[in-house]
This record gives sequence, structure tokens and C-alpha cells, in this order.
Amino acid sequence: AQSVTQLDSQVPVFEEAPVELRCNYSSSVSVYLFWYVQYPNQGLQLLLKYLSGSTLVESINGFEAEFNKSQTSFHLRKPSVHISDTAEYFCAVSEGAGSYQLTFGKGTKLSVIP
Amino acid sequence: DVKVTQSSRYLVKRTGEKVFLECVQDMDHENMFWYRQDPGLGLRLIYFSYDVKMKEKGDIPEGYSVSREKKERFSLILESASTNQTSMYLCASTYALEQFFGPGTRLTVL
Repeated sequence: AQSVTQLDSQVPVFEEAPVELRCNYSSSVSVYLFWYVQYPNQGLQLLLKYLSGSTLVESINGFEAEFNKSQTSFHLRKPSVHISDTAEYFCAVSEGAGSYQLTFGKGTKLSVIP
Repeated sequence: DVKVTQSSRYLVKRTGEKVFLECVQDMDHENMFWYRQDPGLGLRLIYFSYDVKMKEKGDIPEGYSVSREKKERFSLILESASTNQTSMYLCASTYALEQFFGPGTRLTVL
């Protein structure tokens, strides 16, 4: 069975500082990986995803994540955060085509401090 | 634009009441999901459906049932609400491995 571990439940960071949100997964098969973001009082929105190809994937608002198969990780990074990045971030894994289920991590709350 | 709607943003019910949470998607997606979200526990899958009248249990189905009579609508039913079912409930539908979420229903059971 697959599982996802988000190592930090809360991450405070000053505005314009870099941030890394860590995600590790376990699975016996090839996986697809996702980061979702949840702003206060809203549902989840897809931030970025790795399906195949380049192991470095980017979002439109400056986040990036790198799939590392040997370390079974998919850490999320941003070189300079903004106040508007304050949200909860969820890492998720799918075991692939034919399996539409996602297994989510417990989430990391990112707080950007002015 | 993809749209998943949930019937209520906030709901307050009493212990023992039967509760219906409705979810509608307008994208003709076959797969739909119900999760509950609790602080520190992330999202946990309650039930999912691959097609009309099809349903599968997720990780925490106890105390819940579902109904999918039409492709666009997936209902979550709490047969007899209890205080430990106070939570945020999120519905999602899936296309090409991506899940699209509704805004959530925050249910309080008194």
C-alpha cells in the first residue's frame, strides 16, 4: 500500500525568503505525484504534478518540485515566498492509470511572516 | 472551466439526524470521491464511485453511505449523525489523474 509523509506540519518563513516543504512517499510500483494547495476556507487546488518526463516540474506562481526516485521524495520549493502563499499544502500520490485514487499526506501549513 | 459544487458551505445538525451532503460536477467525469478533512490528519477517503450506481468503500466508511443515481451527482449520507462526524467534507471528481475539488462543507454535529 502506498503512503505519504509530510515531515513538517507547520513551516513559518519570512516574506521573500526561500522555502522547502518536504514530502516522502512509499510505493511498490511506479507513481504519479501531486502537490495541492488549500487557501483558507477553500477547497484544494492542484499546484503541480509529476506524471512522466522531466523530474523537475513547475507551477505558474513560482513553485517547483523535483521527483527523486532513489530517495522517494517530491519536495516543494520556492526561492522567494509572498504573503499570498500562506496556505496549507498537501502532497499526494497515485499508483497510476486505472487507479484514480489519491493518497494524501497530512499537510503542511505554510505561514509567511511580513 | 471545471466546476464542482457542494450544496452547503456550513451545516449544523443535531446528534441522530440523517444528513445529506450533495456534490455536483459539470464535467461528465466518471470518478467521484468523498473525503473528510480533520486538523493534523489530512484528507481521508470515505467512499468513491467509478460510475453511476457504482460505489466503493474508502479508508473510513463506517457511519456513512453514498448514492450516485446520476453521473453528475454524488451524495454522502450520514444515517445517524454523531459528534465525531463534525468535520470538513470535501468532494472531488477526476479526469486524467487530476482531482478537482469542491469548496467543502463544514459540518458541525451538536
